[in-house]
Amino acid sequence: GAGVSQSPSNKVTEKGKDVELRCDPISGHTALYWYRQSLGQGLEFLIYFQGNSAPDKSGLPSDRFSAERTGGSVSTLTIQRTQQEDSAVYLCASSLAGVADTQYFGPGTRLTVL
Amino acid sequence: GEDVEQSLFLSVREGDSSVINCTYTDSSSTYLYWYKQEPGAGLQLLTYIFSNMDMKQDQRLTVLLNKKDKHLSLRIADTQTGDSAIYFCAETDTGRRALTFGSGTRLQVQP
Repeated sequence: GAGVSQSPSNKVTEKGKDVELRCDPISGHTALYWYRQSLGQGLEFLIYFQGNSAPDKSGLPSDRFSAERTGGSVSTLTIQRTQQEDSAVYLCASSLAGVADTQYFGPGTRLTVL
Repeated sequence: GEDVEQSLFLSVREGDSSVINCTYTDSSSTYLYWYKQEPGAGLQLLTYIFSNMDMKQDQRLTVLLNKKDKHLSLRIADTQTGDSAIYFCAETDTGRRALTFGSGTRLQVQP
């Protein structure tokens, strides 16, 4: 596709359930990022993948959060035992690393934890 | 750590120029960006500037960078109602890669 796509666009879950969020980056982009946008915290970096290198997980808020990127393309962000404070919009971005690191964002997944 | 600050709100009349300001603290910032977010939508990249540049112009958009004062601004000429959105300033450096965002400036354009 032409841009970054994410699914689902909306997810409502109950506290304590696990959720998986998916990101399809722009074809050919080797770098992939996850961010979280919430009312109280603004836009926060979560995790960064670059090619086959070990991911930069420095932004993950707790060990309930994990992400993987299969085959250097699609990425899945998993949140285990969701809490109400996990409610936010989760944004994925990709970039052609080395070209000003310009990151192109997907539309996001709005997660609501009841 | 890195910090990026923006004013929260700006209101202008249609046809006027808008100037959105941003300050950052990281002296090693290499790339600075402006993103636009419309209601319910993701982030749209508007423009970016390298730290070795002072100015960049792209149609109605002009970015000014004062590296000494760590101040970045976005000027929108002939502002239209379709420009109403939240504008985010962001920065990174080659070592860090992840973007550090400001809190966003909500631009309201009145007809």
